Amino acid sequence: DSGVTQTPKHLITATGQRVTLRCSPRSGDLSVYWYQQSLDQGLQFLIQYYNGEERAKGNILERFSAQQFPDLHSELNLSSLELGDSALYFCASSVFFADTQYFGPGTRLTVL
Amino acid sequence: KNEVEQSPQNLTAQEGEFITINCSYSVGISALHWLQQHPGGGIVSLFMLSSGKKKHGRLIATINIQEKHSSLHITASHPRDSAVYICAVFSDKLIFGTGTRLQVFP
Repeated sequence: DSGVTQTPKHLITATGQRVTLRCSPRSGDLSVYWYQQSLDQGLQFLIQYYNGEERAKGNILERFSAQQFPDLHSELNLSSLELGDSALYFCASSVFFADTQYFGPGTRLTVL
Repeated sequence: KNEVEQSPQNLTAQEGEFITINCSYSVGISALHWLQQHPGGGIVSLFMLSSGKKKHGRLIATINIQEKHSSLHITASHPRDSAVYICAVFSDKLIFGTGTRLQVFP
């Protein structure tokens, strides 16, 4: 158990819908990262927050947004969902940037 | 060309064999991460390196910053080592290799 929790574990929804994925980092970790893993793309970095502020941005679509709250949990919002958004979404946390990351179990999103 | 290349893509081994997985990158980095992804999907961080060598149990990771290359070695491999091993580099963002799928047979 990494200490990072993600909810929900599974999510099935329809095209055009909006969903929110939630991540609670390990106690004491200030950095939260979001990753997408699809079958054809491998792991892709989406976005990183550090102590509530956006720190780095990767291949995150404009339809996706994220935030980190004062209690350090983070949410990833995916809107206007498309079939291609079906993937595993991982959250990870670390104390600082470029530090060992601890991964959550992932949320499997299926868009029908 | 990918900024992070791993080789081989697939690897099969007999239990007890010594295994090497390679990672080459073309960008400037502050650190490199080796990850293990189990068949069930869970991801575990194995090592984070910025120089030299690290060892944890049967796993050894090395990095040569000048040559932009890292290796992950598994000594006395075991079927439970079967997983996908992923190299990721910290540049201005985290960039992942495509992974090496390892299967170790008894």
